Amino acid sequence: EAGVAQSPRYKIIEKRQSVAFWCNPISGHATLYWYQQILGQGPKLLIQFQNNGVVDDSQLPKDRFSAERLKGVDSTLKIQPAKLEDSAVYLCASSLIGDTGELFFGEGSRLTVL
Amino acid sequence: AQSVAQPEDQVNVAEGNPLTVKCTYSVSGNPYLFWYVQYPNRGLQFLLKYITGDNLVKGSYGFEAEFNKSQTSFHLKKPSALVSDSALYFCAVRVASGGSYIPTFGRGTSLIVHP
Repeated sequence: EAGVAQSPRYKIIEKRQSVAFWCNPISGHATLYWYQQILGQGPKLLIQFQNNGVVDDSQLPKDRFSAERLKGVDSTLKIQPAKLEDSAVYLCASSLIGDTGELFFGEGSRLTVL
Repeated sequence: AQSVAQPEDQVNVAEGNPLTVKCTYSVSGNPYLFWYVQYPNRGLQFLLKYITGDNLVKGSYGFEAEFNKSQTSFHLKKPSALVSDSALYFCAVRVASGGSYIPTFGRGTSLIVHP
């Protein structure tokens, strides 16, 4: 079974530029998550989708971050404009529908903002 | 606020000795608790979970965890540590929010197993 795919693995940009990350979840997983993991900290949920609807985006900085999940499958996370404090690893995860399932993570996209 | 806490930034243990990585939680209602492991430059991998039933849960790579409702804890354990167990370990809880359960992670504990 193919895992969660993310790209790019690494991205370096200057502040005020924009960046986009892509995620393809495990086939059949209805729920998709984007987490931000700053060095030395635990993952922080940015947004959770169920199919193509948003379940929670309370911690998403909506003035600069946006995310979409077209047709309930792939998802993109965009940052525009980027700030220095956005330097982090952006993790995508998916799970089967329901509240008790474990998350399956991709390898992450590491963003460095200079 | 509903949350999960990992009180230790780092745990050091000698190979062959038992290990414990601590986790406590604060949630309303029944907790859904998880442990994940993260190796360098990789995503998180699921180890085990407690949903209901037996308080002792067994998971991958010989790890187990004990759910203790009175102490609101879910400590990760292994009887005999391996050098290859060295990694970051995250405790997580599903937190009720607006009709759904949001996975919330602790800050992580770095486990270092010395040869």
